[in-house]
Amino acid sequence: EAQVTQNPRYLITVTGKKLTVTCSQNMNHEYMSWYRQDPGLGLRQIYYSMNVEVTDKGDVPEGYKVSRKEKRNFPLILESPSPNQTSLYFCASSTGPPLNTEAFFGQGTRLTVV
Amino acid sequence: DQQVKQNSPSLSVQEGRISILNCDYTNSMFDYFLWYKKYPAEGPTFLISISSIKDKNEDGRFTVFLNKSAKHLSLHIVPSQPGDSAVYFCAASADSGGGADGLTFGKGTHLIIQP
Repeated sequence: EAQVTQNPRYLITVTGKKLTVTCSQNMNHEYMSWYRQDPGLGLRQIYYSMNVEVTDKGDVPEGYKVSRKEKRNFPLILESPSPNQTSLYFCASSTGPPLNTEAFFGQGTRLTVV
Repeated sequence: DQQVKQNSPSLSVQEGRISILNCDYTNSMFDYFLWYKKYPAEGPTFLISISSIKDKNEDGRFTVFLNKSAKHLSLHIVPSQPGDSAVYFCAASADSGGGADGLTFGKGTHLIIQP
């Protein structure tokens, strides 16, 4: 079954404690992205990756890092989380360039930073 | 500065009637538009898309209309069913030439289908 898997689904952490949210896809997609969803703001792109070792900033990259060492995995790293990073995070993958951006999303990770 | 706008946070429609969800955009470089549907506790799922070279795309009960001159698109659902109750996100993409995954989303519209 084609899927994007995020872990964990729920996480409560304290300010400043480094954390990683994992994302894995089994569709051999080249493109992967991270989004955050906040009330009243919709989905905003954090980082994206066009292929292995190729990553770039989205609209709201501050406070986040990513890596793409393998095609299937695209972890999101918060080196020093802050309360304003409390949000619902979605990982997505897609087959290719903008004209084919029918992305598949993971189920989401609800992060609370206290 | 919101480039994709969904001005109705929620919409209530009777079962069997037509649901019309609207989306406006400001970036004239957008040339591909998508609608995603999201149920609570799940990730968004792709619903339907349209390229800027078309003005209409139909898939079963779902039709998307694009009016480029007005920078407006709409999603029509006919007939509306209870399972259509969800949040609908409008998204847009511009061919940046670099192949970037540049989906810009609206804030979403919560569609409620009433029996």
